[in-house]
Amino acid sequence: GAVVSQHPSWVICKSGTSVKIECRSLDFQATTMFWYRQFPKQSLMLMATSNEGSKATYEQGVEKDKFLINHASLTLSTLTVTSAHPEDSSFYICSALIRGRSEAFFGQGTRLTVV
Amino acid sequence: KNQVEQSPQSLIILEGKNCTLQCNYTVSPFSNLRWYKQDTGRGPVSLTIMTFSENTKSNGRYTATLDADTKQSSLHITASQLSDSASYICVVSAITNDYKLSFGAGTTVTVRA
Repeated sequence: GAVVSQHPSWVICKSGTSVKIECRSLDFQATTMFWYRQFPKQSLMLMATSNEGSKATYEQGVEKDKFLINHASLTLSTLTVTSAHPEDSSFYICSALIRGRSEAFFGQGTRLTVV
Repeated sequence: KNQVEQSPQSLIILEGKNCTLQCNYTVSPFSNLRWYKQDTGRGPVSLTIMTFSENTKSNGRYTATLDADTKQSSLHITASQLSDSASYICVVSAITNDYKLSFGAGTTVTVRA
């Protein structure tokens, strides 16, 4: 199956700092990537949809100025959590959609802890 | 209200036993239904994907069924192993242009020796 690489797998940062998470499709071109957030024992919650070369579409309630998404190429999307606070601590997962197919592949996830 | 409901929320089974997980959905118009396995602290990994015309699909010891009329799916795990301990997520997509996925809350399976 297609491989989606997410980096880092875990990160600890201080309150007020920014953290960047990368999501790469290693062996295919991803026209669309999705960013999810998952709290313990809960389902994945879609935060935003990013399309290569255009602005991301954010879900209701997700602050676009806090969660900056950049999808600069067909193989890379980044999520930057700006001015992180402890309540931003969560598991963040990306998925990439293969061009021409409706199947999405997930990254390994990033555990963010803000102290 | 979530468009994908899973049951049970969690279950514990003995190694070697079978179990069946349920998924009911209201997503429409239906495109496909997938079952994912998510280990703790990891991203989901696809087990099966079924379209409207498919009513069963197997992947090793995992067998998924789909009844598009009643909008129900099940995932059967045969001869469970300790490594099957994980969260199993039912995901349904609609025929839309944005390929958004509707996630169930997942069923946490714990396999004990």
